[in-house]
Amino acid sequence: AQSVAQPEDQVNVAEGNPLTVKCTYSVSGNPYLFWYVQYPNRGLQFLLKYITGDNLVKGSYGFEAEFNKSQTSFHLKKPSALVSDSALYFCAVRDGNQFYFGTGTSLTVIP
Amino acid sequence: DVKVTQSSRYLVKRTGEKVFLECVQDMDHENMFWYRQDPGLGLRLIYFSYDVKMKEKGDIPEGYSVSREKKERFSLILESASTNQTSMYLCASRAGQGSSDTQYFGPGTRLTVL
Repeated sequence: AQSVAQPEDQVNVAEGNPLTVKCTYSVSGNPYLFWYVQYPNRGLQFLLKYITGDNLVKGSYGFEAEFNKSQTSFHLKKPSALVSDSALYFCAVRDGNQFYFGTGTSLTVIP
Repeated sequence: DVKVTQSSRYLVKRTGEKVFLECVQDMDHENMFWYRQDPGLGLRLIYFSYDVKMKEKGDIPEGYSVSREKKERFSLILESASTNQTSMYLCASRAGQGSSDTQYFGPGTRLTVL
């Protein structure tokens, strides 16, 4: 079965510093990987996806993610964090019609 | 832009009541999904539908049923609400079978069962 894991429940970073939110995956076949963000009391918003091609994927709001096949990872990154980036982040993998989500990582950017 | 709407943002019901959660999407998507979100557990799939009148169980279908009479509308039904169904419910839709298609989410319904 396909699955993703987010090893950190909480990540704190100072404003202006680079941020990383970690995700590892376990799939059979080619991975279709996604990142979503959820602001308080809102639904999930799509950030970026990896299907095939370049290992560095660029997405919305200045976020990017690096696909690493040897480490089975798909970490979300941003060079300079903003206070407004504080939110809950979910990694997901698609298998056919279904998406499997990680447990989420709460990111807090400290002013 | 894809728009997915849910009938209520907040809902309070009593144990044993029958509860209907409605979801509507405006992009003619074939696939629709219902998830529940709980702290520390992430999103768990309850049911999904890949066509009108078609449905598939997800990971936690017990205590729930669904209805899809029209392509744009997908309803989640709690036959007899219980306190352990207090949760955030998220609806999503997705276009066809193409590998690049993402899911689009509604704003969520926070259900409290007393």
